[in-house]
Amino acid sequence: DAGVIQSPRHEVTEMGQEVTLRCKPISGHNSLFWYRQTMMRGLELLIYFNNNVPIDDSGMPEDRFSAKMPNASFSTLKIQPSEPRDSAVYFCASSPDRYNSPLHFGNGTRLTVT
Amino acid sequence: TQLLEQSPQFLSIQEGENLTVYCNSSSVFSSLQWYRQEPGEGPVLLVTVVTGGEVKKLKRLTFQFGDARKDSSLHITAAQPGDTGLYLCAGGGFGGTSYGKLTFGQGTILTVHP
Repeated sequence: DAGVIQSPRHEVTEMGQEVTLRCKPISGHNSLFWYRQTMMRGLELLIYFNNNVPIDDSGMPEDRFSAKMPNASFSTLKIQPSEPRDSAVYFCASSPDRYNSPLHFGNGTRLTVT
Repeated sequence: TQLLEQSPQFLSIQEGENLTVYCNSSSVFSSLQWYRQEPGEGPVLLVTVVTGGEVKKLKRLTFQFGDARKDSSLHITAAQPGDTGLYLCAGGGFGGTSYGKLTFGQGTILTVHP
């Protein structure tokens, strides 16, 4: 099992540019989560999907953030336009079902917006 | 919004000492999970506790879920340098859109000196 795969591992971009983060969940897992981690705010849930359908996006900070899951094996998180305060480590996680299941995290994308 | 307060935020101890990390909330959780995160990686699950009063042991680590399912603790006996890392507690939600959500505490950064 390859685990949750995220790309890129690092992204440096200038303010105003579009950023797309990618995630491949573990095969057979039907829930997918996007988290953001910063020193100040810890791990924050941005959005989660179940069976490719967004269930709760209340953590998405602004309209500049959008997430899609076109199929069971791929999800994207897009920021357009990016701002310096978006700098953080973004994690994708998947789980086999919704109730009390452990999350399997990817190794994250470290985003720096200058 | 369910909040989890973790304490202490930082812990620096010598090899062989014992320590306890606390995770507290005013909310009831369906489960409590503990994760460990190392630099440059995503969090990895240590244990899940589901029943109020439940105690689980993982070698030198002991996890307890409070009777009211609002708090939890992690106790490490005879800490070793390999225990160094960020420890995160996470509470599971109940019905509606909270069904599959995990709320994370801010984390405890543990450093064990040889």
